Amino acid sequence: QSVLTQPPSVSGAPGQRVTISCTGNNSNLGAGYDVHWYQQLPGTAPKLLIYGSSNRPSGVPERFSGSKSATSASLAITGLQAEDEADYYCQSYDNSLSGWMFGGGTKLTVL
Amino acid sequence: EVQLVESGGGLVQPGGSLRLSCVASGFTFSHYWMHWVRQVPGKGLVWVSRINTDENPAYADSVTGRFTISRDNAKNTLYLQMTSLRADDTAVYYCTRESHDYGDLPDLWGQGVLVTVSS
Repeated sequence: QSVLTQPPSVSGAPGQRVTISCTGNNSNLGAGYDVHWYQQLPGTAPKLLIYGSSNRPSGVPERFSGSKSATSASLAITGLQAEDEADYYCQSYDNSLSGWMFGGGTKLTVL
Repeated sequence: EVQLVESGGGLVQPGGSLRLSCVASGFTFSHYWMHWVRQVPGKGLVWVSRINTDENPAYADSVTGRFTISRDNAKNTLYLQMTSLRADDTAVYYCTRESHDYGDLPDLWGQGVLVTVSS
């Protein structure tokens, strides 16, 4: 059972803005550890979208942005496109696990 | 090309053993902490184990005592020895590299290898 809680699914029409939340506790986000976000297309390995709560690796469109506050974080996607349909995961370090903690994942559907 | 390539997956009976391998290329393998992450088909990602550059391991509670992570820097290869396998170990196993640039996260993933535990 994941300690980082995400909504199972979100949806939006092309061009719209959606957000995905990630709620942790004092062993991970609340302890000051960074949150990171990944996009996973069907049948492929996850791809890094956001690191350090709000930073984009080179090549990731500006449509993707992230934020963090205390024990929660969020990923926002603006100008939704059909190609954004995928599973999204948040991830942080957890000091009770002494390892990486992933959220349960959120399936984004583009209507 | 910077990449990780896993092998060794397959079908194994409950209680059996399997060893996964992950060959790294395109970067200095010995300089990186390495991890295994697994994913039950259709489910979320779960951290399994990691080994640091001093070869000190760490494990998730669910695999402690059954799985052993190791590395051979001369062969640029990461291993996961899995014993006493159970049905709930069935998953795609990903070899990952911990980032030097972005923080405590996996910045490079293998393609994944499927392990199926079933009689």
